[in-house]
Amino acid sequence: KAGVTQTPRYLIKTRGQQVTLSCSPISGHRSVSWYQQTPGQGLQFLFEYFSETQRNKGNFPGRFSGRQFSNSRSEMNVSTLELGDSALYLCASSPGAGFTYEQYFGPGTRLTVT
Amino acid sequence: DQQVKQNSPSLSVQEGRISILNCDYTNSMFDYFLWYKKYPAEGPTFLISISSIKDKNEDGRFTVFLNKSAKHLSLHIVPSQPGDSAVYFCAARITGNQFYFGTGTSLTVIP
Repeated sequence: KAGVTQTPRYLIKTRGQQVTLSCSPISGHRSVSWYQQTPGQGLQFLFEYFSETQRNKGNFPGRFSGRQFSNSRSEMNVSTLELGDSALYLCASSPGAGFTYEQYFGPGTRLTVT
Repeated sequence: DQQVKQNSPSLSVQEGRISILNCDYTNSMFDYFLWYKKYPAEGPTFLISISSIKDKNEDGRFTVFLNKSAKHLSLHIVPSQPGDSAVYFCAARITGNQFYFGTGTSLTVIP
């Protein structure tokens, strides 16, 4: 079974731009969660999608948004990028919603904002 | 507000010895705890978990201990191997809510 894939793997943007990251979950998994990883902060939860609906949301500003498609693929968008948005963005898939099951992570997208 | 804390950013252990990674938490509502291992350029991979109704769970060389009164979680790796060198994250869950992750401990196993 193929794992979680994320594209692109690396991205460089400038302040004020917007960016869209993509995540394809493991086949059959319907839950996708997004995390931001920065040094010293660990993994910070952004949001969870299940069956195209956002179920849970972390404590991030509205510049961070996401969506999920009918095939369970998910995208995350960050508008008006700030230097502090530089991070590794990880997505994780799970068979069910509500964090009932372990999550399987993709390799991440490394975003650098200059 | 960091609800899950890993106070040791790094740990070095000789091959064959025991590695003990520690994690503290503050929220008594957590009902499930997990450890993930992360190699560079890869996403975290699930290692072992424990329910809040248990105090120990073993899987091969890996054992997780939970002390609910102290709100403390630990991962024991015995014997440690060079391939265990990675960053280890502990995570805690409130059912239906989210996973909260610690900041990670970088383990180096010296051959």
